[in-house]
Amino acid sequence: DTAVSQTPKYLVTQMGNDKSIKCEQNLGHDTMYWYKQDSKKFLKIMFSYNNKELIINETVPNRFSPKSPDKAHLNLHINSLELGDSAVYFCASSPRDRAGTNEQFFGPGTRLTVL
Amino acid sequence: KQEVTQIPAALSVPEGENLVLNCSFTDSAIYNLQWFRQDPGKGLTSLLLIQSSQREQTSGRLNASLDKSSGRSTLYIAASQPGDSATYLCAVPGSARQLTFGSGTQLTVLP
Repeated sequence: DTAVSQTPKYLVTQMGNDKSIKCEQNLGHDTMYWYKQDSKKFLKIMFSYNNKELIINETVPNRFSPKSPDKAHLNLHINSLELGDSAVYFCASSPRDRAGTNEQFFGPGTRLTVL
Repeated sequence: KQEVTQIPAALSVPEGENLVLNCSFTDSAIYNLQWFRQDPGKGLTSLLLIQSSQREQTSGRLNASLDKSSGRSTLYIAASQPGDSATYLCAVPGSARQLTFGSGTQLTVLP
């Protein structure tokens, strides 16, 4: 009965490779997000999708391409991985209900290590 | 651009103490504020969401307050326990509901 799930949990890969991280939510939420937590533990928004449409792209390099096949999934594909991409990536979702109750629920995170 | 600051960065207290974590934000045009807990190597657990129309929100030993006009929120933890040891993060949503996070307060409760 996991609410927001991500796969894989750990990802170790070589520089220059292409990799994907998958995210699924079973909460019926209409908005999904990707956040990046860097080595200093600071969390920052990367993308936001609402009903499969891109809402926010926070100056993320175009090597990162999110894809939302449906409202319950938001996958993150990364091309030509660089050392600086090493981080923990969190997926989150929130409902589109009355203003003020935009509670976000986070997945367990994917720790990406680029060698 | 919204900026969120959390003070202190780290806090160590003996078990049983009551404590307060602080969060401040620069743009008071928010419609809620969310407090999270992050355990080492784990994801974020939502603790409390306090709406802009509310002054306080309580869950068990946790109480969050919000003062929009001064751009501040506090998280009060009563009778702290070693199991409360974690990093506590506050976050506010932007116009597209994306969260801007503070850098967190790392709490250690000593048995």
